[in-house]
Amino acid sequence: SYELTQPPSVSVSPGQTARITCSADAWPKPYVHWYQQKPGQAPVLVIYKDNERPSGIPERFSGSSSGTTVTLTISGVQAEDEADYYCQSADNTGTFWVFGGGTKLTVL
Amino acid sequence: QVQLVESGGGVVQPGTSLRLSCAASRFNIRSYGMHWVRQAPGKGLEWVAIIYYDGSEKFYADSVKGRFAISRDNSRNTVYLQMNSLRDEDTAVYYCARDRELSYSDLWGRGTLVTVSS
Repeated sequence: SYELTQPPSVSVSPGQTARITCSADAWPKPYVHWYQQKPGQAPVLVIYKDNERPSGIPERFSGSSSGTTVTLTISGVQAEDEADYYCQSADNTGTFWVFGGGTKLTVL
Repeated sequence: QVQLVESGGGVVQPGTSLRLSCAASRFNIRSYGMHWVRQAPGKGLEWVAIIYYDGSEKFYADSVKGRFAISRDNSRNTVYLQMNSLRDEDTAVYYCARDRELSYSDLWGRGTLVTVSS
């Protein structure tokens, strides 16, 4: 198995850009996906396959990849973006998933 | 709308069993693999199990292997998680999630809380 490492917290002011990283200790790096979870709610997919955005997700959410690190970028952060964000990946046979420890995004 | 609804959670004693259900609405689960993912209070997400679209393959996290069993009834559009020999550390909200490409999930239920306590 492998691990995904995220920073525990990120803080930004409204209108600024938030960047949340996810480092995989696997090579080649598998696809990484991102979920947003607000208190008491189920996770919502915001980015899949490193940089694809599902329909209905605002354009301010984007993803990028470099080496074994994937980054979720939220441009022009809004108060409603305050949430926990989890990266997730699957092994190359799809037989198990791994989640990062989660990053709490605080909008100051 | 398209949704997943979990049920069956509750308060149980250590060593006992519980079966969770996940009912799908407005789509047919027979085309999808399905997962269970859990979240202990105040903690992060932990993957639990997957069942392939046709039930041909099932895989489990090491933490539940040999104690939990995932199954599905495509005719009822429902997925199940049979949990045996429950432990305190199994206390969590249990979510079911629809698989895409054996890689990620695009649809999650709202979860059902399981509390294991004496």
